[in-house]
Amino acid sequence: DSGVTQTPKHLITATGQRVTLRCSPRSGDLSVYWYQQSLDQGLQFLIQYYNGEERAKGNILERFSAQQFPDLHSELNLSSLELGDSALYFCASSPTGSLSTGELFFGEGSRLTVL
Amino acid sequence: GQSLEQPSEVTAVEGAIVQINCTYQTSGFYGLSWYQQHDGGAPTFLSYNALDGLEETGRFSSFLSRSDSYGYLLLQELQMKDSASYFCAVLLLGDYKLSFGAGTTVTVRA
Repeated sequence: DSGVTQTPKHLITATGQRVTLRCSPRSGDLSVYWYQQSLDQGLQFLIQYYNGEERAKGNILERFSAQQFPDLHSELNLSSLELGDSALYFCASSPTGSLSTGELFFGEGSRLTVL
Repeated sequence: GQSLEQPSEVTAVEGAIVQINCTYQTSGFYGLSWYQQHDGGAPTFLSYNALDGLEETGRFSSFLSRSDSYGYLLLQELQMKDSASYFCAVLLLGDYKLSFGAGTTVTVRA
């Protein structure tokens, strides 16, 4: 158990809908990262927050947005869902934003299926 | 920018040794990390090389050569539980995130 909690674990929804994925980082970690993993693919970086502020942005679609709250939990909002958005969405955390040890702590992921 | 290349699949028998290479094209990075992921589970950290050379952690070792633009993960005394996907990842200079390779699926056979 990494200490990172993601909910929901599984989500099935229809095209055009909107969903919110939630992540609670490890206790004391200030930085949260979101990654998308499509079937048999690598981990694609979406966005990073550090202590409530957006720190880095990857190839995140305009239909997707995220935020980190004062209690450091984060939410990833996916709207106008398309079939291609079906994927595993991972949240990861680190103590700081510098990743000096190259180590991220990943949650178990949220598996999104869009029908 | 960066590009990480790994073999897509490797198969070996129990007790064997497997080396997963990761070659990269990048303008500069802090270090190379390796992660293990079992069938759709959470990726877990294995090792990090900030400097050239070999890092050993039990049955797993990782190596980095900046001059040759490559690194590898060495899995020794393979066990069935080592069947998983393995990802290399870099932390680019001036960046705050890990960029991952496409992953190598290791299958261990009895």
